[in-house]
Amino acid sequence: EDKVVQSPLSLVVHEGDTVTLNCSYEVTNFRSLLWYKQEKKAPTFLFMLTSSGIEKKSGRLSSILDKKELFSILNITATQTGDSAVYLCAVALWSGNTPLVFGKGTRLSVIA
Amino acid sequence: GAVVSQHPSRVICKSGTSVKIECRSLDFQATTMFWYRQFPKQSLMLMATSNEGSKATYEQGVEKDKFLINHASLTLSTLTVTSAHPEDSSFYICSATTGTGVETQYFGPGTRLLVL
Repeated sequence: EDKVVQSPLSLVVHEGDTVTLNCSYEVTNFRSLLWYKQEKKAPTFLFMLTSSGIEKKSGRLSSILDKKELFSILNITATQTGDSAVYLCAVALWSGNTPLVFGKGTRLSVIA
Repeated sequence: GAVVSQHPSRVICKSGTSVKIECRSLDFQATTMFWYRQFPKQSLMLMATSNEGSKATYEQGVEKDKFLINHASLTLSTLTVTSAHPEDSSFYICSATTGTGVETQYFGPGTRLLVL
């Protein structure tokens, strides 16, 4: 059975801290790994990672994939209260419709 | 770009009634749309995959006669929860891709269903 495991499940940090969110996976026919940010409504796309060792960066967020060890990390530096959200990791599989398998998410709370 | 809308955003209904949720891709054509359900503090669970002009593919454990999906055009998919019961209360989210086999999915804002 395909599965995606995220850790920690929840995290509370102070503004300015740096956080690292983890995502490991065991799937057949791995295609890519995606990170989403979910606030009160639907997830918004952050990154898609396909190749190992290539860091994707967007402002204070960055992510990297290790296809040998089957995991990815999402880093957020200088956290702000607006970063408070659930961060979802999903793996896309090679199949006709490319379904996504989601982890349970990491709930990040940034306090002032 | 890649905006997906859902309507309604919130619905409250009595047990036994049917509820239709619309998912639209506003600025692109979506050959494939996905329907997810999310219970409180849980992750997204894929219910079904919808391809324009063909029957939806349902995940194991999802009743196709209860959750009717229609994908009549490249910009619209609908999910109808038939004879809704309180246990169907959940957050329903659709997503769309810009092409068959494209892995990046763009999500709608979700529909919160409460069945009394």
